[in-house]
Amino acid sequence: EVQLLESGGGLVQPGGSLRLSCAASGFTFSSYAMSWVRQSPGKGLEWVSAITDSGRTTGYADSVKGRFTISRDNSKNTLYVQMSSLRAEDTAVYYCATRSEGRYFNYWGQGTLVTVSS
Amino acid sequence: DIQMTQSPSSLSASVGDRVTVTCRAGQNIATYLNWYQQKPGKAPKLLIYAASTLQSGVPSRFSGSTSGTDFTLTISGLQPEDVASYYCQQSYRVPYTFGQGTKLEIK
Repeated sequence: EVQLLESGGGLVQPGGSLRLSCAASGFTFSSYAMSWVRQSPGKGLEWVSAITDSGRTTGYADSVKGRFTISRDNSKNTLYVQMSSLRAEDTAVYYCATRSEGRYFNYWGQGTLVTVSS
Repeated sequence: DIQMTQSPSSLSASVGDRVTVTCRAGQNIATYLNWYQQKPGKAPKLLIYAASTLQSGVPSRFSGSTSGTDFTLTISGLQPEDVASYYCQQSYRVPYTFGQGTKLEIK
């Protein structure tokens, strides 16, 4: 059974940093591109970042470019996003998701809440 | 960025009704269009990918179609468990943009 388990969320002050993790199991992690998608309270879904299966290529939404860094450790079956210079508008539930070859998100984690507030 | 315009933002229908949600892409995205269902407090779930292919395990009352840059999600015979928000998403080009979502309720 495919499982994605996010962790690392919490309360952080504006300007602060946080690293989220997504532990994967039940599939060959190193064969899948991965993404982070977020959802602000009561709002819609926003794609944040993506990384290829090898980790060599990454992409970011303009809203987080230069502040967030996506990475992965295929030996640990874990996806990360390092978030810095956090703003109130980064407050959201952050989901990790597998990206299939057809470029759809077929498996999702349960999400981890990041709250940026003083 | 590719704009995805989804409508309506909310709708209310009766059990057994046929329900349609529409998504219009701001440019050609071929059939790189996916639909997700999100129930309150839960993660999104893939329903349909490549515009019209039903994800494994999804009930056959859900279907997707396309006409140019217009995409439609149809629920044929609404069930109480279909109460959720529905999102379209283009996967033609990064950034992978989502529609604004449609909140579906039962009358």
